[in-house]
Amino acid sequence: DVKVTQSSRYLVKRTGEKVFLECVQDMDHENMFWYRQDPGLGLRLIYFSYDVKMKEKGDIPEGYSVSREKKERFSLILESASTNQTSMYLCASSPVGGRYGYTFGSGTRLTVV
Amino acid sequence: QKEVEQNSGPLSVPEGAIASLNCTYSDRGSQSFFWYRQYSGKSPELIMFIYSNGDKEDGRFTAQLNKASQYVSLLIRDSQPSDSATYLCAVNKGNTPLVFGKGTRLSVIA
Repeated sequence: DVKVTQSSRYLVKRTGEKVFLECVQDMDHENMFWYRQDPGLGLRLIYFSYDVKMKEKGDIPEGYSVSREKKERFSLILESASTNQTSMYLCASSPVGGRYGYTFGSGTRLTVV
Repeated sequence: QKEVEQNSGPLSVPEGAIASLNCTYSDRGSQSFFWYRQYSGKSPELIMFIYSNGDKEDGRFTAQLNKASQYVSLLIRDSQPSDSATYLCAVNKGNTPLVFGKGTRLSVIA
């Protein structure tokens, strides 16, 4: 079964910590995405990547960065975690072309205290 | 700003009835349209996609697209309690990121 795997299901971090969220897909997809999901705000796009070493800002990139050194892996980095970054983080991948939708990972619920 | 609008619900239907979920989008150039189901605490799961005007059926699900009215809907026939979830509408154009609506919460009452 094809999969998008996020490294942690639940994570608790302290304010000011540097946080790494890892995402790996085994479908040889070109496109990878990071979203956060908050009640009442829906899914908001943080960053995306169409190829290795490429990255594009989404709608809410402030406070985040990303890394894509290999095709199958897309990492989200919170440079200095803050309480307003407490959220559900969802990674997704898709083939190039945009016609087939995304496959999502199971999500990481991050709490910053 | 590209927008996808959905009624947040909750939409309550009795078991066995038809559930009708609606979505409008602002970008007239949108080309691909998707419906995702999301159970509480879980990640979204793709259930339908449609590209052309008209209806597309898959089991109990039918997606309907009307590009002139910028409207896409999802019908769920013979609704079951297991269909209770939030349904997300998403659209895109070419190889661009999906734009998601905020979702409609469906509750199927046994």
